[in-house]
Amino acid sequence: SQQGEEDPQALSIQEGENATMNCSYKTSINNLQWYRQNSGRGLVHLILIRSNEREKHSGRLRVTLDTSKKSSSLLITASRAADTASYFCATDDEHGNKLVFGAGTILRVKS
Amino acid sequence: KAGVTQTPRYLIKTRGQQVTLSCSPISGHRSVSWYQQTPGQGLQFLFEYFSETQRNKGNFPGRFSGRQFSNSRSEMNVSTLELGDSALYLCASSLRPGHSYEQYFGPGTRLTVT
Repeated sequence: SQQGEEDPQALSIQEGENATMNCSYKTSINNLQWYRQNSGRGLVHLILIRSNEREKHSGRLRVTLDTSKKSSSLLITASRAADTASYFCATDDEHGNKLVFGAGTILRVKS
Repeated sequence: KAGVTQTPRYLIKTRGQQVTLSCSPISGHRSVSWYQQTPGQGLQFLFEYFSETQRNKGNFPGRFSGRQFSNSRSEMNVSTLELGDSALYLCASSLRPGHSYEQYFGPGTRLTVT
């Protein structure tokens, strides 16, 4: 079963606009990670946020974590065509034994 | 530093056959995890190895097995292939065991079972 669920399933925006993706999970976590995948290739790690952190930035990426709502969001500012990809959130499972991925959000940035 | 490498990149097998996939982690990384990605089930954890020992296993049948060598390279084997085993198999390495650390993924092996 999936721990994280992303919303929306798909998002299409114009270059220069911001993109926001949300992730909800079911059980308590130690950390939450966001990954990007380009067209059926390997995943690239974007950001890891620990359960005691509320916000984290990396370049044009901003991640927030609300453990009371069991949710996280990924904001990509000033999007580029190269940001077109699938984005996944991943959390450790309730026992910390494995990384559980959500179904992903497909982002398309039109130039 | 070289990234995670996986071989082969593409593979076509027939039902009933077996297959072995290989993964070489980033130099210095001793933890290797395997994932299966399909359109229907998404990304699912197969197993994790650290220092040649399997630490965790996902909910997959015994046809799926793996091992890790002393140089941290890992292999996974699928026996008696079924059509549903067609998937992208991803390997990831990490400095430390467990899943509280960044995972570095390889490009994957695309397995097609006919």
